[in-house]
Amino acid sequence: QIVLTQSPAIMSASPGEKVTITCSASSSVSYMHWFQQKPGTSPKLWIYSTSNLASGVPARFSGSGSGTSYSLTISRMEAEDAATYYCQQRSSYPPIFTFGSGTKLEIK
Amino acid sequence: DVQLQESGPDLVKPSQSLSLTCTVTGYSITSGYSWHWIRQFPGNKLEWMGYIHYSGSTNYNPSLKSRISITRDTSKNQFFLQLNSVTTEDTATYYCARKGTTVVAHFDYWGQGTTLTVSS
Repeated sequence: QIVLTQSPAIMSASPGEKVTITCSASSSVSYMHWFQQKPGTSPKLWIYSTSNLASGVPARFSGSGSGTSYSLTISRMEAEDAATYYCQQRSSYPPIFTFGSGTKLEIK
Repeated sequence: DVQLQESGPDLVKPSQSLSLTCTVTGYSITSGYSWHWIRQFPGNKLEWMGYIHYSGSTNYNPSLKSRISITRDTSKNQFFLQLNSVTTEDTATYYCARKGTTVVAHFDYWGQGTTLTVSS
């Protein structure tokens, strides 16, 4: 079973600041999905297959990575981006889906 | 538009079974995709529990395999979670979600979640 480790666990950023959240996999994977969750709501697909923005996601977001290291980047932080972000993967067999522990992003 | 809605009890006693329902609108659960249960514990850890494929086959998280069952009622376009012998550690918000059937597919639609407390 793949273990996903996110860093940092908590961070704050000022408006306009560049933000990078990383997700490290315990073994090499070929893609990563990312979800955004705000308090009291369900996780929302944010980036799929490493670098594809989900519908409605602002272009200031981007995703990249390969192997065991993946990242989500916000080019210029905005207040609405404050949320918790989770990475997600699946093991090939048996199919087990795992989530990272989350990165809580706050606005300064 | 596709919508998923969880329903079930708010409170279950330890050692009892929990049963939750996910009602899907806007797409037939027999037409495609896999239909999942995911829970989020206090403290926000997310755990995938299992799924029922549109064909009716199921797959479960090995950590739950002895306690979990996912079934469906195709006439009502619903699928269900049953978890036996619950403990306080099963206290969580339970989500149902849809996922494509390819290896790289993602969870694209989620329900709003239902919060379950296990307590005597």
